[in-house]
Amino acid sequence: QVQLVQSGAEVKKPGASVKVSCKASGYSFIDYYIHWVRQAPGQGLEWMGWINPGSGATNYAQKFQGRVTLTRDTSISTTYMDLTRLRPDDTAFYYCARSPVPAAFMTWGQGTLVTVSS
Amino acid sequence: DIQMTQSPSTLSASVGDRVTITCRASQSINSWLAWYQQKPGKAPNLLIYKASSLESGVPSRFSGSGSGTEFTLTISSLQPDDFATYYCQHYYSYPLTFGGGTKVEIK
Repeated sequence: QVQLVQSGAEVKKPGASVKVSCKASGYSFIDYYIHWVRQAPGQGLEWMGWINPGSGATNYAQKFQGRVTLTRDTSISTTYMDLTRLRPDDTAFYYCARSPVPAAFMTWGQGTLVTVSS
Repeated sequence: DIQMTQSPSTLSASVGDRVTITCRASQSINSWLAWYQQKPGKAPNLLIYKASSLESGVPSRFSGSGSGTEFTLTISSLQPDDFATYYCQHYYSYPLTFGGGTKVEIK
């Protein structure tokens, strides 16, 4: 079945970077965009950006421009979200989700908790 | 950016109740709206896309309506499994944005 499986929880210090992976299976990896959405504990959902796995093209929310980089490795059907210059308010669950564009997020990863604390 | 406003933020209801959640967009988004259900500790799950299309596998007691700036999610007869938080999201333009969520609690 269609699945997105994310890497495990991370604990980082302020100023550090984190790289979260999202491995796709059960469908043609290059045919669906992968979006990244985050959710601070007890808060709502915030879209960060997307990557087109076929072309590598990306689109980032302005809030994260300059701090987030989305990449992919088509040989292993995996996308990566790299967030730099971490702050305590970056503490959140980070989700990947797939969609045909433009469209709703039809499949989600299980989420990765990133904790930023000194 | 398009702002999405959900109401109410919390809703108390009983099993069997008909429940309606409203989502308003700050400008017209045509029908480019999705609804998600999220349970504690889990990722969101798509219920409705394109304002009124039911995602495969989602029970028919869920329905969506609306276009332009006003949308509703209706649960025709609330079941125990439906107590959760519900989010609307537009995909009309970037950045994509979500409503603040509606928590459906047991009365």
